[in-house]
Amino acid sequence: GDSVTQMEGPVTLSEEAFLTINCTYTATGYPSLFWYVQYPGEGLQLLLKATKADDKGSNKGFEATYRKETTSFHLEKGSVQVSDSAVYFCALLMDSNYQLIWGAGTKLIIKP
Amino acid sequence: EPEVTQTPSHQVTQMGQEVILRCVPISNHLYFYWYRQILGQKVEFLVSFYNNEISEKSEIFDDQFSVERPDGSNFTLKIRSTKLEDSAMYFCASSGQTHDQPQHFGDGTRLSIL
Repeated sequence: GDSVTQMEGPVTLSEEAFLTINCTYTATGYPSLFWYVQYPGEGLQLLLKATKADDKGSNKGFEATYRKETTSFHLEKGSVQVSDSAVYFCALLMDSNYQLIWGAGTKLIIKP
Repeated sequence: EPEVTQTPSHQVTQMGQEVILRCVPISNHLYFYWYRQILGQKVEFLVSFYNNEISEKSEIFDDQFSVERPDGSNFTLKIRSTKLEDSAMYFCASSGQTHDQPQHFGDGTRLSIL
């Protein structure tokens, strides 16, 4: 079935470091892809999305490009801040149904 | 910015009791969802709801569970005869005019079954 695999955390970086969180997917069709973020004590917030191959989603300095050839949607940010510390979830949505399919989440810790 | 609100934020219930989790979706959204996250596990889909009926449900969503939109604003998840393994964070979400639009989530209800 359809699935999402994320790199295991926690990922610990220093402030201003470059961030990559890997996400790959398995899907029978052409999903839409999402990154959600969960800050401590809060809910799931949509960070960015891409709906077709080669689309780039971006928000708050984060970017991810929908790569059909590698079935990937890696999250990147050029210079992280302490306030980016959170859990990041990659998810996919198929056209044919309603449910988001989630990765396990990657905890990001940014040290000053 | 419009948001999804969930109440209560934390619910503690004795095993075997019924519990109702409440959600107010974003006002012009048409699609509604419940997900849950057991501690340390992935977020799991439970059910989606559109036009006053269930549009999709997972294997988790058995006869113990039901959803309802009792009025124009609330969307509820009822769990009858709760079990210890129902302890989880429950998230409500809504999306706009078509089901492939991004889903927006509430802050969740932490359900603890004793």
